[in-house]
Amino acid sequence: DQQVKQNSPSLSVQEGRISILNCDYTNSMFDYFLWYKKYPAEGPTFLISISSIKDKNEDGRFTVFLNKSAKHLSLHIVPSQPGDSAVYFCAASGTGANNLFFGTGTRLTVIP
Amino acid sequence: ETGVTQTPRHLVMGMTNKKSLKCEQHLGHNAMYWYKQSAKKPLELMFVYNFKEQTENNSVPSRFSPECPNSSHLFLHLHTLQPEDSALYLCASSQDRGNNEQFFGPGTRLTVL
Repeated sequence: DQQVKQNSPSLSVQEGRISILNCDYTNSMFDYFLWYKKYPAEGPTFLISISSIKDKNEDGRFTVFLNKSAKHLSLHIVPSQPGDSAVYFCAASGTGANNLFFGTGTRLTVIP
Repeated sequence: ETGVTQTPRHLVMGMTNKKSLKCEQHLGHNAMYWYKQSAKKPLELMFVYNFKEQTENNSVPSRFSPECPNSSHLFLHLHTLQPEDSALYLCASSQDRGNNEQFFGPGTRLTVL
């Protein structure tokens, strides 16, 4: 049973607008969350993370929001750029930094 | 070279073949991982090594055999695979087992005929 879910396989956004990628998790023991970005023919690269003691973490155009009560996190990209077109994976881990559990990914296409 | 490298990038093998995937990290990390990514499925952790010792085997069939001769190199030996083993195999490393930020290689696209 998947513990991390990304229910939208794809998302298209106009350049300059906001991209919002969503992720839900089921395990209440998860306390650290990460977003990875993957271009074709490359491995995933770390983008941004958030600990469960926070509800928001910002890094430039990327902001991750965590809603612990809803077991939901989201990645906001603003403004979106064509170079942001990639597959975005959400991942989560529990206390003690054990395994990372990944979602299936959301393919973002930013239209120029 | 920098980062995490994997060879070969593509591999086609028959069910009776024996082949090996290689991963090398140039980041000075102590933990290394093998993941499998099948179509429309999340990345599945297969094996974890920390300071060259295997710390996790995620119920992987014995036809997959990992080897970690040192902290920089990780191998995945393959023998008598099945067509359903066709997938993208990703190697990753992190500073140590307690560090969540993992750095991934580009992967080996494996096709089993």
